[in-house]
Amino acid sequence: GAGVSQTPSNKVTEKGKYVELRCDPISGHTALYWYRQSLGQGPEFLIYFQGTGAADDSGLPNDRFFAVRPEGSVSTLKIQRTERGDSAVYLCASSLRVSGANVLTFGAGSRLTVL
Amino acid sequence: QKEVEQNSGPLSVPEGAIASLNCTYSDRGSQSFFWYRQYSGKSPELIMSIYSNGDKEDGRFTAQLNKASQYVSLLIRDSQPSDSATYLCAVRGRGSQGNLIFGKGTKLSVKP
Repeated sequence: GAGVSQTPSNKVTEKGKYVELRCDPISGHTALYWYRQSLGQGPEFLIYFQGTGAADDSGLPNDRFFAVRPEGSVSTLKIQRTERGDSAVYLCASSLRVSGANVLTFGAGSRLTVL
Repeated sequence: QKEVEQNSGPLSVPEGAIASLNCTYSDRGSQSFFWYRQYSGKSPELIMSIYSNGDKEDGRFTAQLNKASQYVSLLIRDSQPSDSATYLCAVRGRGSQGNLIFGKGTKLSVKP
């Protein structure tokens, strides 16, 4: 697609529920990144994929968070047993490839609210 | 812990003035540096990238990098009200071909 597409744009859920957030990167982009941004803060790195594999998942806060990219394109971020502290905007970005000079293009984000 | 530090502001400048935004980083081996602009409620968009010491100019924007001082800055000349946004500094470390580490951002307000 022309840009990075994220769905849903808004998600309200109750504490303890399971949530999936989807990211469709720019066509041809091999690298895909997930970030989380809380109000007044910069984006916080969660995980990035090179192709189908997670190249770095060191930012995932705990084992309730998991992400997949089974075919090397669309990615899903999965959050189990949601907590109120998980409320944030989840940003997805993609880049043509992984390299030092590589530029990330962000999607519009998925705003998650856990009640 | 690799860190990127920015003054959160708000930084307020009059229309037409130069806005100066600053960023320091802790990983001395960092190789790539980026400035993103984020309007309220929107996603970050890239303004500038810089990889070598010195200045890089693009229109009204100039990025400055000093690796010895671990310092990167963004100058906005002839500031416009439409420049009012949060500016995020992002750094990619040595050996990291992937993720960027972001600062908290500096909120800029340009007054007409």
